[in-house]
Amino acid sequence: AQRVTQPEKLLSVFKGAPVELKCNYSYSGSPELFWYVQYSRQRLQLLLRHISRESIKGFTADLNKGETSFHLKKPFAQEEDSAMYYCALSKFSGSARQLTFGSGTQLTVLP
Amino acid sequence: DAMVIQNPRYQVTQFGKPVTLSCSQTLNHNVMYWYQQKSSQAPKLLFHYYDKDFNNEADTPDNFQSRRPNTSFCFLDIRSPGLGDAAMYLCATSRGDRVSYEQYFGPGTRLTVT
Repeated sequence: AQRVTQPEKLLSVFKGAPVELKCNYSYSGSPELFWYVQYSRQRLQLLLRHISRESIKGFTADLNKGETSFHLKKPFAQEEDSAMYYCALSKFSGSARQLTFGSGTQLTVLP
Repeated sequence: DAMVIQNPRYQVTQFGKPVTLSCSQTLNHNVMYWYQQKSSQAPKLLFHYYDKDFNNEADTPDNFQSRRPNTSFCFLDIRSPGLGDAAMYLCATSRGDRVSYEQYFGPGTRLTVT
């Protein structure tokens, strides 16, 4: 069975400081991983996907299969980055993609 | 704007009194999902529909049922809510092809059981 672990429930950093949100997974197949974000009073939305290897809002995440990790990083945090971040692992059930979420990390960027 | 809409946003029901939560979408997506999210926990998939095909997760209690009368609408029925069913219920959609990877979420319905 697949599992996603986000060890930090809360993370606070100062504006301009680097930030890293940790995510570890267990999955027997070839994993496909995502980061979803929920800003205050907004709906859950996709931030980035490991396959695309792109930077979104300054965030990047690299899949490390050896360490079974998919940590989210940003070199210089901004106050608008304050949000709830969920790491998610995807698998197919028939033709439908299913997500297994971690329990989330609440990031607060202090002024 | 094309989107996923959930009604109501807040629902209070009594212990044991059936309740129905509603989700609609204007994205014309094939797949609709229901997640349960309890306080400080991960969203947990209850079931999903691929078009009219219903797919239940193995550990979803029988107390939870779902209906999808057409592409746009999907309902979550809780037949006899218990105190442990108090949670945020999230509806999501996706296109349902192997290329599309994003799920689009509604704002959620917060259910309180008294």
